[in-house]
Amino acid sequence: KAGVTQTPRYLIKTRGQQVTLSCSPISGHRSVSWYQQTPGQGLQFLFEYFSETQRNKGNFPGRFSGRQFSNSRSEMNVSTLELGDSALYLCASSLEGGSNSPLHFGNGTRLTVT
Amino acid sequence: SQKIEQNSEALNIQEGKTATLTCNYTNYSPAYLQWYRQDPGRGPVFLLLIRENEKEKRKERLKVTFDTTLKQSLFHITASQPADSATYLCALPPDYGQNFVFGPGTRLSVLP
Repeated sequence: KAGVTQTPRYLIKTRGQQVTLSCSPISGHRSVSWYQQTPGQGLQFLFEYFSETQRNKGNFPGRFSGRQFSNSRSEMNVSTLELGDSALYLCASSLEGGSNSPLHFGNGTRLTVT
Repeated sequence: SQKIEQNSEALNIQEGKTATLTCNYTNYSPAYLQWYRQDPGRGPVFLLLIRENEKEKRKERLKVTFDTTLKQSLFHITASQPADSATYLCALPPDYGQNFVFGPGTRLSVLP
Protein backbone atom coordinates (compact mmCIF):
# COMPACT_ATOMS: atom_id res chain seq x y z
CA LYS A 1 0.00 0.00 0.00
CA ALA A 2 1.24 3.47 -0.81
CA GLY A 3 1.83 5.71 2.17
CA VAL A 4 0.53 9.19 2.82
CA THR A 5 1.59 11.56 0.06
CA GLN A 6 1.96 15.28 0.56
CA THR A 7 2.60 17.83 -2.16
CA PRO A 8 4.53 19.95 -2.65
CA ARG A 9 7.52 19.02 -0.48
CA TYR A 10 8.84 22.56 -0.33
CA LEU A 11 7.21 25.92 -0.81
CA ILE A 12 8.43 29.48 -0.52
CA LYS A 13 5.86 32.24 -0.27
CA THR A 14 5.78 35.93 0.55
CA ARG A 15 3.93 37.52 3.45
CA GLY A 16 0.33 38.24 2.56
CA GLN A 17 0.05 35.50 -0.04
CA GLN A 18 -2.03 32.38 0.37
CA VAL A 19 -1.03 28.76 -0.03
CA THR A 20 -2.75 25.40 -0.57
CA LEU A 21 -1.20 22.13 0.54
CA SER A 22 -2.38 18.73 -0.59
CA CYS A 23 -2.54 15.34 1.12
CA SER A 24 -3.45 11.92 -0.24
CA PRO A 25 -4.14 9.44 2.58
CA ILE A 26 -3.50 5.72 2.61
CA SER A 27 -6.14 3.91 0.58
CA GLY A 28 -9.09 3.04 2.78
CA HIS A 29 -8.28 5.60 5.48
CA ARG A 30 -11.16 7.96 6.08
CA SER A 31 -9.65 10.29 8.66
CA VAL A 32 -7.12 12.95 7.73
CA SER A 33 -5.49 15.21 10.31
CA TRP A 34 -3.19 18.15 9.81
CA TYR A 35 -0.41 19.23 12.14
CA GLN A 36 1.99 22.15 12.18
CA GLN A 37 5.52 21.44 13.43
CA THR A 38 7.96 24.15 14.47
CA PRO A 39 11.13 23.93 16.57
CA GLY A 40 9.61 26.06 19.32
CA GLN A 41 6.09 24.64 19.54
CA GLY A 42 6.54 21.06 18.40
CA LEU A 43 3.61 19.28 16.76
CA GLN A 44 0.43 21.32 17.00
CA PHE A 45 -2.93 19.96 15.88
CA LEU A 46 -4.69 22.00 13.20
CA PHE A 47 -7.80 20.04 12.27
CA GLU A 48 -9.20 16.62 11.45
CA TYR A 49 -11.51 15.64 8.64
CA PHE A 50 -13.63 12.52 8.43
CA SER A 51 -15.98 11.72 5.57
CA GLU A 52 -15.65 15.25 4.18
CA THR A 53 -16.60 16.87 7.50
CA GLN A 54 -14.36 18.72 9.90
CA ARG A 55 -14.56 16.70 13.10
CA ASN A 56 -12.05 18.45 15.34
CA LYS A 57 -10.23 21.74 15.25
CA GLY A 58 -7.17 23.03 17.08
CA ASN A 59 -6.44 26.52 18.33
CA PHE A 60 -5.38 28.19 15.11
CA PRO A 61 -6.77 31.38 13.58
CA GLY A 62 -9.37 31.32 10.85
CA ARG A 63 -6.67 31.94 8.24
CA PHE A 64 -6.06 28.20 8.45
CA SER A 65 -8.72 26.14 6.77
CA GLY A 66 -9.08 22.79 5.15
CA ARG A 67 -11.37 20.46 3.33
CA GLN A 68 -11.69 16.82 2.43
CA PHE A 69 -12.96 15.38 -0.81
CA SER A 70 -15.11 12.32 -1.39
CA ASN A 71 -12.00 10.23 -2.16
CA SER A 72 -10.60 11.23 1.28
CA ARG A 73 -7.90 13.43 -0.22
CA SER A 74 -7.50 16.60 1.75
CA GLU A 75 -6.23 20.12 1.25
CA MET A 76 -5.35 22.81 3.71
CA ASN A 77 -5.22 26.49 2.93
CA VAL A 78 -3.47 29.31 4.71
CA SER A 79 -4.47 32.83 3.72
CA THR A 80 -2.67 36.09 4.37
CA LEU A 81 0.57 34.36 5.24
CA GLU A 82 2.67 35.62 8.14
CA LEU A 83 6.34 35.00 8.86
CA GLY A 84 5.33 32.85 11.83
CA ASP A 85 3.54 30.44 9.53
CA SER A 86 6.89 29.09 8.39
CA ALA A 87 6.82 25.46 9.49
CA LEU A 88 6.64 21.84 8.46
CA TYR A 89 3.01 20.95 7.78
CA LEU A 90 2.25 17.30 8.31
CA CYS A 91 -0.75 15.34 7.22
CA ALA A 92 -1.68 12.06 8.90
CA SER A 93 -4.30 9.51 8.02
CA SER A 94 -5.92 6.76 10.02
CA LEU A 95 -8.71 4.27 9.44
CA GLU A 96 -11.36 5.93 11.55
CA GLY A 97 -9.55 8.59 13.54
CA GLY A 98 -10.36 9.56 17.10
CA SER A 99 -9.68 6.04 18.32
CA ASN A 100 -6.64 4.09 19.30
CA SER A 101 -5.60 3.47 15.70
CA PRO A 102 -2.18 4.93 15.00
CA LEU A 103 -1.57 7.93 12.78
CA HIS A 104 0.27 7.44 9.51
CA PHE A 105 2.13 10.59 8.60
CA GLY A 106 3.34 11.91 5.29
CA ASN A 107 6.76 13.53 5.03
CA GLY A 108 5.27 16.98 5.14
CA THR A 109 5.40 20.22 3.23
CA ARG A 110 8.10 22.62 4.33
CA LEU A 111 6.64 26.13 4.03
CA THR A 112 8.91 29.15 4.21
CA VAL A 113 7.35 32.59 4.37
CA THR A 114 9.62 35.51 3.53
CA SER B 1 -5.68 21.17 29.44
CA GLN B 2 -3.43 18.23 28.75
CA LYS B 3 0.28 18.76 29.17
CA ILE B 4 3.02 16.37 28.12
CA GLU B 5 6.67 16.59 29.05
CA GLN B 6 9.55 14.48 27.80
CA ASN B 7 12.57 14.14 30.02
CA SER B 8 15.11 15.96 27.96
CA GLU B 9 15.43 17.66 24.66
CA ALA B 10 18.48 15.58 23.75
CA LEU B 11 20.04 12.37 24.97
CA ASN B 12 23.43 10.95 23.98
CA ILE B 13 24.35 7.35 24.70
CA GLN B 14 27.01 4.90 23.63
CA GLU B 15 26.23 2.16 21.14
CA GLY B 16 25.19 -1.05 22.85
CA LYS B 17 23.74 0.67 25.91
CA THR B 18 20.07 0.95 26.81
CA ALA B 19 18.41 4.27 26.08
CA THR B 20 15.56 5.28 28.40
CA LEU B 21 13.23 8.10 27.43
CA THR B 22 10.54 9.50 29.72
CA CYS B 23 7.11 10.89 28.98
CA ASN B 24 5.14 12.57 31.79
CA TYR B 25 1.65 13.96 31.47
CA THR B 26 -0.73 15.99 33.61
CA ASN B 27 -4.41 16.89 33.74
CA TYR B 28 -5.42 13.74 31.96
CA SER B 29 -6.06 10.03 32.41
CA PRO B 30 -5.49 8.50 28.98
CA ALA B 31 -6.73 5.05 28.13
CA TYR B 32 -3.58 4.48 26.09
CA LEU B 33 -0.40 6.17 24.96
CA GLN B 34 1.61 5.96 21.75
CA TRP B 35 5.27 6.38 20.83
CA TYR B 36 6.52 7.64 17.47
CA ARG B 37 9.92 8.01 15.87
CA GLN B 38 10.78 10.97 13.65
CA ASP B 39 13.83 11.28 11.44
CA PRO B 40 14.99 14.70 10.16
CA GLY B 41 12.88 15.97 7.28
CA ARG B 42 10.36 13.15 7.58
CA GLY B 43 7.03 12.60 9.26
CA PRO B 44 6.70 10.65 12.53
CA VAL B 45 6.40 6.89 12.30
CA PHE B 46 4.26 4.92 14.74
CA LEU B 47 6.21 2.50 16.96
CA LEU B 48 4.11 1.21 19.85
CA LEU B 49 0.80 1.64 21.61
CA ILE B 50 0.31 0.71 25.26
CA ARG B 51 -3.04 0.63 27.04
CA GLU B 52 -3.72 1.67 30.62
CA ASN B 53 -4.24 -1.95 31.71
CA GLU B 54 -0.90 -3.04 30.23
CA LYS B 55 2.11 -2.46 32.41
CA GLU B 56 4.63 -3.27 29.71
CA LYS B 57 4.77 -3.81 25.95
CA ARG B 58 7.68 -5.09 23.87
CA LYS B 59 8.57 -5.05 20.20
CA GLU B 60 11.99 -6.39 19.24
CA ARG B 61 14.51 -4.15 21.05
CA LEU B 62 11.84 -1.70 22.18
CA LYS B 63 10.04 -1.77 25.51
CA VAL B 64 7.40 0.62 26.79
CA THR B 65 5.96 0.86 30.28
CA PHE B 66 2.90 2.78 31.41
CA ASP B 67 2.39 3.83 35.03
CA THR B 68 -1.00 5.50 35.38
CA THR B 69 -0.34 6.31 39.05
CA LEU B 70 2.83 8.23 38.27
CA LYS B 71 1.30 9.50 35.00
CA GLN B 72 4.42 8.39 33.22
CA SER B 73 5.55 6.22 30.34
CA LEU B 74 9.10 4.97 29.86
CA PHE B 75 10.46 4.03 26.45
CA HIS B 76 13.52 1.78 26.35
CA ILE B 77 15.75 0.83 23.43
CA THR B 78 18.07 -2.02 24.36
CA ALA B 79 21.38 -2.72 22.61
CA SER B 80 21.11 0.67 20.94
CA GLN B 81 22.60 1.26 17.50
CA PRO B 82 23.56 4.44 15.62
CA ALA B 83 20.55 3.76 13.36
CA ASP B 84 18.31 4.35 16.39
CA SER B 85 19.35 8.01 16.38
CA ALA B 86 16.18 10.03 15.87
CA THR B 87 13.62 12.11 17.73
CA TYR B 88 11.13 10.10 19.75
CA LEU B 89 7.70 11.50 20.51
CA CYS B 90 5.02 10.31 22.88
CA ALA B 91 1.38 11.04 22.08
CA LEU B 92 -1.84 10.97 24.04
CA PRO B 93 -5.15 10.06 22.46
CA PRO B 94 -7.82 12.57 21.62
CA ASP B 95 -9.38 14.56 24.39
CA TYR B 96 -12.78 16.11 23.84
CA GLY B 97 -12.67 18.45 20.87
CA GLN B 98 -9.03 17.82 20.21
CA ASN B 99 -6.87 15.29 18.48
CA PHE B 100 -3.68 13.50 19.41
CA VAL B 101 -1.48 15.63 21.66
CA PHE B 102 2.23 15.14 21.12
CA GLY B 103 5.07 15.70 23.53
CA PRO B 104 7.98 17.95 22.51
CA GLY B 105 10.15 14.93 21.72
CA THR B 106 13.57 13.71 22.80
CA ARG B 107 16.38 13.74 20.25
CA LEU B 108 18.39 10.57 20.79
CA SER B 109 21.94 10.26 19.48
CA VAL B 110 23.61 6.86 19.69
CA LEU B 111 27.35 7.29 19.43
CA PRO B 112 29.47 4.55 17.83
